[in-house]
Amino acid sequence: AQKITQTQPGMFVQEKEAVTLDCTYDTSDPSYGLFWYKQPSSGEMIFLIYQGSYDQQNATEGRYSLNFQKARKSANLVISASQLGDSAMYFCAMNSGGSNYKLTFGKGTLLTVNP
Amino acid sequence: GAVVSQHPSRVICKSGTSVKIECRSLDFQATTMFWYRQFPKKSLMLMATSNEGSKATYEQGVEKDKFLINHASLTLSTLTVTSAHPEDSSFYICSASVHPGQGAVEQYFGPGTRLTVT
Repeated sequence: AQKITQTQPGMFVQEKEAVTLDCTYDTSDPSYGLFWYKQPSSGEMIFLIYQGSYDQQNATEGRYSLNFQKARKSANLVISASQLGDSAMYFCAMNSGGSNYKLTFGKGTLLTVNP
Repeated sequence: GAVVSQHPSRVICKSGTSVKIECRSLDFQATTMFWYRQFPKKSLMLMATSNEGSKATYEQGVEKDKFLINHASLTLSTLTVTSAHPEDSSFYICSASVHPGQGAVEQYFGPGTRLTVT
C-alpha cells in the first residue's frame, strides 16, 4: 500500500519569496514516481513536476523544484519567486508498478500568496 | 503537450435521472484512464481504473452498477452516473495515462465535471 502525507493544510507566503510545501510518502515498492499537482479554484489539475525513485538528481521545472530525500521518504516542492497566480491547492501524489500505476494523493496544501 | 478534455464541464440533473460524462485524450492514445471524485476542499478519491476494451476495475466501496464506465477506444472513456441522487453531487475528474519511459507513468487530467443533482 502507498501513502502520502501532507502535514500543512495551509501556507502563506509573500510575493517574490520562496516557499516549501512538505510531502512524505510510504511504499514498499522499490520503483515509484512522485508527482506534484496544482489545483486552482477552477478545479483543473495541473501537472507541475515528476521525480522517479531512481532519478539521481532532483527534478526542476522552471520555478518549481522537488527536494527529493529518498532516505527520509520526503518529496518537498519548492516554489521560488512566488507569484499571486501561485495561490492554489497543491497535491503531492505517487504511483508505482505495484499499485498498477494508480495515483495516491495527499490531502493537499492550500497556498496563499500575499501581495 | 498531452491534453485531456471532459464534457460537460457542468451539469445539473434531477434526482433519478442518469448523467453521462465523457473523457477524451485529444492528442495522444491513452492506455489507461482513471476516474476520480472530489468533494469540496478534499483530496481526489480514485473511483475506478479503465483500460481500453476491458472491464473497469473499481475501488473498494464504489458501486459499479451505479457508476458505469465504458472505455470504447484509446481516446475515449465515459462515466455514467445512473439514477443519480443528491449525494452523488460532486466534482468528477478523469485522467489519462501515458508511458513515457521505463518506470515513468504520467497522468494528465481533464478539467473536471461538476455534477449537481437536485
